[in-house]
Amino acid sequence: KAGVTQTPRYLIKTRGQQVTLSCSPISGHRSVSWYQQTPGQGLQFLFEYFSETQRNKGNFPGRFSGRQFSNSRSEMNVSTLELGDSALYLCASSLSLAATYEQYFGPGTRLTVT
Amino acid sequence: TQLLEQSPQFLSIQEGENLTVYCNSSSVFSSLQWYRQEPGEGPVLLVTVVTGGEVKKLKRLTFQFGDARKDSSLHITAAQPGDTGLYLCAGDSNYQLIWGAGTKLIIKP
Repeated sequence: KAGVTQTPRYLIKTRGQQVTLSCSPISGHRSVSWYQQTPGQGLQFLFEYFSETQRNKGNFPGRFSGRQFSNSRSEMNVSTLELGDSALYLCASSLSLAATYEQYFGPGTRLTVT
Repeated sequence: TQLLEQSPQFLSIQEGENLTVYCNSSSVFSSLQWYRQEPGEGPVLLVTVVTGGEVKKLKRLTFQFGDARKDSSLHITAAQPGDTGLYLCAGDSNYQLIWGAGTKLIIKP
């Protein structure tokens, strides 16, 4: 079966702009989690959505937001981009809540903010 | 704040050598997951350990969960270049995953 897909794979934005990233989970998976990965901070949890509801949230400013649609696809949005938002953004899907079920990661979206 | 500390942060060894990487915390976890991430890809789950003292083997990889469920180790026997990658551990604490910073492993041919 198809894996987790993320679009776009690469993105270059200017400071102050906003960006929307998309994630399509594995068919049948109801949970989608988003992570930010940087060389300095490692993998940091952004938020998790399950059945269109945010279930868990990491320690990120309100500029980072997300949503999940009825077909389990998810988007995350970052407004007023800062240079420090440059990172690999990973999406992971699981059958149910991520902590108790195996997560399958997508290849990520590489965001560069200039 | 709950932390999962991984050590070493970086390890570079020759093919054929053995190695152990560690994942330690002062917190108790319901379960702990180990992932490997290769450049340009997302992490891939290797194993989940659930019971204190549990040992799981995956070919040349041996995973152990501490008796108190606060720590875990990953031992690789006769490392191969294909083992190169970033190894991440993640612990389940009240249905939220706590992630370690990872161990970057390089196996030289």
